[in-house]
Amino acid sequence: AQSVTQPDIHITVSEGASLELRCNYSYGATPYLFWYVQSPGQGLQLLLKYFSGDTLVQGIKGFEAEFKRSQSSFNLRKPSVHWSDAAEYFCAAGAGGSYIPTFGRGTSLIVHP
Amino acid sequence: SQTIHQWPATLVQPVGSPLSLECTVEGTSNPNLYWYRQAAGRGLQLLFYSVGIGQISSEVPQNLSASRPQDRQFILSSKKLLLSDSGFYLCAWSESSQPQHFGDGTRLSIL
Repeated sequence: AQSVTQPDIHITVSEGASLELRCNYSYGATPYLFWYVQSPGQGLQLLLKYFSGDTLVQGIKGFEAEFKRSQSSFNLRKPSVHWSDAAEYFCAAGAGGSYIPTFGRGTSLIVHP
Repeated sequence: SQTIHQWPATLVQPVGSPLSLECTVEGTSNPNLYWYRQAAGRGLQLLFYSVGIGQISSEVPQNLSASRPQDRQFILSSKKLLLSDSGFYLCAWSESSQPQHFGDGTRLSIL
């Protein structure tokens, strides 16, 4: 069965520190991969997407993600976290021809001043 | 550019009352439309999706129903709300295998 796993429910970092949020997928073939961010009481905003090509993907708000086929991972990174990055982050995957993505359970990012 | 509108933003309803949440998309044609529910501290639960007018697929049998009376309109309804229907409801749209775009959500509280 297709699945997306975000192993960390909560991540706490200090402002200015680097960030890496983990995402692992289980799909029959290389899926399309996405990262979303959700601020409290808001909808989800697309940060970045990977379909094919360069495995390092740049997104909005200074985020990037790297697709690693050998590890079935698509981890989200940011070199220096800002307090405004505190939010819920969702990894999602989809397959070609399918219009229903699979979402991870989300990782809550807490930023300490 | 495409936009998605979802309303109301907040709703407080008594148990047993009906429900109607509306979602509309602008700037695109024949989008895929979705309703999700997000319980407190939980992930996203897909409730319904639609690939065309009048075509509704239900992912989870429950007290809710969905309709798509127009190409870019998606409505979530209930005849009698239960306490367990409380949550944050999100509408989304997409084109084919492209990533979904979400509305701002409706916070539904059942008293």
